[in-house]
Amino acid sequence: GAVVSQHPSWVICKSGTSVKIECRSLDFQATTMFWYRQFPKQSLMLMATSNEGSKATYEQGVEKDKFLINHASLTLSTLTVTSAHPEDSSFYICSANPGTGQETQYFGPGTRLLVL
Amino acid sequence: QKEVEQDPGPLSVPEGAIVSLNCTYSNSAFQYFMWYRQYSRKGPELLMYTYSSGNKEDGRFTAQVDKSSKYISLFIRDSQPSDSATYLCAMTYQAGTALIFGKGTTLSVSS
Repeated sequence: GAVVSQHPSWVICKSGTSVKIECRSLDFQATTMFWYRQFPKQSLMLMATSNEGSKATYEQGVEKDKFLINHASLTLSTLTVTSAHPEDSSFYICSANPGTGQETQYFGPGTRLLVL
Repeated sequence: QKEVEQDPGPLSVPEGAIVSLNCTYSNSAFQYFMWYRQYSRKGPELLMYTYSSGNKEDGRFTAQVDKSSKYISLFIRDSQPSDSATYLCAMTYQAGTALIFGKGTTLSVSS
């Protein structure tokens, strides 16, 4: 099946620093990737939709200047959490849609961010 | 009313039981319905995908969609301890658009 990877899987950083998370589709091209955030015992909340070669579309309430998304190629999207604060600590998950009429999305393993 | 409602449980069953997981939704435009399984601290794994109304079976798993009632179900037969996880329903109305998730139901299967 389709495989999506994320790196890093776990990151601890100091408040005020920036963290970059990579999402890669390993065996298919993804014109669209999605970034979700999941708090403990909560469902996945969509943060933004990332389209290759264009600006990301952010959901209401998500600060685009704080969560920078770059979809530079058909297999890579990055999420940068700028000036991270403890309230940004969460589980960040990306997903990718293979396109070609498929509606399903394949998820990465997630990145756990802890801001001290 | 939330777009997708799912009882978070937890649901505890003995090994071998039949498990029924359900979601209701409010948006009649949803056409594509999925069930994902998520183990603790892992990304969701696609289990079942159904388009429009009907049933779909894959091994021990059966997905049902009743669009007239805006109700979807996932049945797990002969449940195993390895089925212990959180099950998320998800749906969308158009290919390539973001999924709307339920809150997830936590299932525990005891041996």
